[in-house]
Amino acid sequence: GAVVSQHPSRVICKSGTSVKIECRSLDFQATTMFWYRQFPKKSLMLMATSNEGSKATYEQGVEKDKFLINHASLTLSTLTVTSAHPEDSSFYICSARGEGAGDTQYFGPGTRLTVL
Amino acid sequence: QKEVEQNSGPLSVPEGAIASLNCTYSDRGSQSFFWYRQYSGKSPELIMSIYSNGDKEDGRFTAQLNKASQYVSLLIRDSQPSDSATYLCAVINDYKLSFGAGTTVTVRA
Repeated sequence: GAVVSQHPSRVICKSGTSVKIECRSLDFQATTMFWYRQFPKKSLMLMATSNEGSKATYEQGVEKDKFLINHASLTLSTLTVTSAHPEDSSFYICSARGEGAGDTQYFGPGTRLTVL
Repeated sequence: QKEVEQNSGPLSVPEGAIASLNCTYSDRGSQSFFWYRQYSGKSPELIMSIYSNGDKEDGRFTAQLNKASQYVSLLIRDSQPSDSATYLCAVINDYKLSFGAGTTVTVRA
């Protein structure tokens, strides 16, 4: 149980384009989903927290207009990187926490974004 | 001050030995603690969660929590080459996970 999927696993795009990443909880309802970014040899940095049906809460320093997050259902959250630039190249990972599962977060497999 | 600090490593241990990983946290009110394992290029995988003082064992892994000292540790017994990874200590603060920088463990065959 507690499986989280992400799609795509890898994406390469041109500078200036937008990229959408999907995060799905496959076998539980995710009341809260989290989006992280990880640069090489660094730890995970929380970008934003989203609750189903509510606006996402962004961490300090994360541009909400650049990283659009939608959590339209209890099993799906999306992150859209708008007008991507090479400095946005990173490993993006989502996690999900389900109702009744306490504080435990289950992580998706991650999406590696490369912006040329 | 960093919220979660780990011994930086890297840690190299021979196969079959015990690997010991340490973590301290700054928020005395923290109640939930986790160890994740992350292989290179992959996302974190939950190994253990611990909420009460004392030891918690799961197979070859033992987590230890001492809230008075604000200290969490992870022991890996009978280390195997497949245990070679980065181990992340994480603490819940206000429903959000704060991660340490990670300790990279290499198990020598």
